[in-house]
Amino acid sequence: AQSVSQHNHHVILSEAASLELGCNYSYGGTVNLFWYVQYPGQHLQLLLKYFSGDPLVKGIKGFEAEFIKSKFSFNLRKPSVQWSDTAEYFCAVIPDSNYQLIWGAGTKLIIKP
Amino acid sequence: SAVISQKPSRDICQRGTSLTIQCQVDSQVTMMFWYRQQPGQSLTLIATANQGSEATYESGFVIDKFPISRPNLTFSTLTVSNMSPEDSSIYLCSVVGSGRASEQFFGPGTRLTVL
Repeated sequence: AQSVSQHNHHVILSEAASLELGCNYSYGGTVNLFWYVQYPGQHLQLLLKYFSGDPLVKGIKGFEAEFIKSKFSFNLRKPSVQWSDTAEYFCAVIPDSNYQLIWGAGTKLIIKP
Repeated sequence: SAVISQKPSRDICQRGTSLTIQCQVDSQVTMMFWYRQQPGQSLTLIATANQGSEATYESGFVIDKFPISRPNLTFSTLTVSNMSPEDSSIYLCSVVGSGRASEQFFGPGTRLTVL
């Protein structure tokens, strides 16, 4: 069955630390890839997405993600985190041209000021 | 992008009652979905709301428990019927935006607590 795994359920970092959140999916065909963020008390927002082209995708607020097809991965990165990045981050995949998102379990990120 | 509103934003209900959640989109959309996000867990797709026909339910969800209406391309309702404490969750409406396949937008969610 298709699935998305996020390696860490909780991550705690200090401000200015670098961030990398892992995301792997299990599907051999073409995929569309997403990272969503949910700030405390707010609704889900799209952080960045990959459909095709350059596998290094830049999103909002200084986030980027790299699609590595051979590793079935779409890891999220940020070189220097801020306290305001405290949120829950979800990786999601749509196989082929389906509209149904397959979600990872989410990673709760806490940034210590 | 699509702007989505949901009503109510939160509610506390008694066991055995039903609650209907409304989802309104500011533009016509083809695809609308209802999700559930239980405490500490990821999102789970309940069903796809189809305009003019019965909703398509995912495994583990049935129409009797979660009846869905989709009278037009901008509006949908989800009813949580005969509620139990296990139904306490955040219920989210989402849509696929027009002009760009696969990108989904989410409503603010309805936080439901069942006592």
